[in-house]
Amino acid sequence: QKEVEQNSGPLSVPEGAIASLNCTYSDRGSQSFFWYRQYSGKSPELIMFIYSNGDKEDGRFTAQLNKASQYVSLLIRDSQPSDSATYLCAVNEDSNYQLIWGAGTKLIIKP
Amino acid sequence: KAGVTQTPRYLIKTRGQQVTLSCSPISGHRSVSWYQQTPGQGLQFLFEYFSETQRNKGNFPGRFSGRQFSNSRSEMNVSTLELGDSALYLCASSVSGGTHYEQYFGPGTRLTVT
Repeated sequence: QKEVEQNSGPLSVPEGAIASLNCTYSDRGSQSFFWYRQYSGKSPELIMFIYSNGDKEDGRFTAQLNKASQYVSLLIRDSQPSDSATYLCAVNEDSNYQLIWGAGTKLIIKP
Repeated sequence: KAGVTQTPRYLIKTRGQQVTLSCSPISGHRSVSWYQQTPGQGLQFLFEYFSETQRNKGNFPGRFSGRQFSNSRSEMNVSTLELGDSALYLCASSVSGGTHYEQYFGPGTRLTVT
C-alpha cells in the first residue's frame, strides 16, 4: 500500500516566521512531488512541484526533496495570515497515472 | 487561459436518484482525474481519463462511473445515490498525466444527498 504521510496539525506559526511542513512517502519509485494549498470550502491549488533532489524556490515558498530519506518539505518564509490553510502533499510514481495524497496539514498563522 | 470548470457547482439529490457531473479541462489538457473529498476521508481518487480511455480507477463501487469525450471534457455519474455520497467532487486536469503530472483543480461540485 503506497502511502503519503503528513502531520495533521494544526501547526501554529507566528506571523513573519518560517512555517515548515513535512511529508514522507513510502514508494521509492516516486518521481514527482507536489504541494497544494486548500482554503476551507475551496478546491486545492497547486503551489509548488519538485522533481529532483534539493531545493526549489518560488517567492516565499521553498520545496525540499530528499529521495534517499523519502521526504519532501515545504517552507513558507515571512508567513502571513493569508497562508492559513490546509497544505496537501501529493506524490506520483509515473506508472499508474495517479497521485497519492497525504491527508494534509492544517497551518494557522497567528497575527 | 481559462481554468478547469465544473458544473453544476451545487446539487441536492434524494437517495436512490442518479447524478451527472461535468468537467471541462484547461485548453490543451488531455488528462482528467476525478476525486471525492469528505471531511473524514480527505481526497479519494475515483478515476483518470486520457484520450477517452480510463487509465486508472480507485476503490469505489460500480455506481460511480465516468467517461471522457473527444474534446477532453469529462463527466462522472453516480447512480442509486446514498447518503454517504454527500461530498465535494473535484476534477483536475493535466497535460498528459505522465511523470511531470501537475494537476489543476476545478472549483468542485458540492453534492448533498438527502
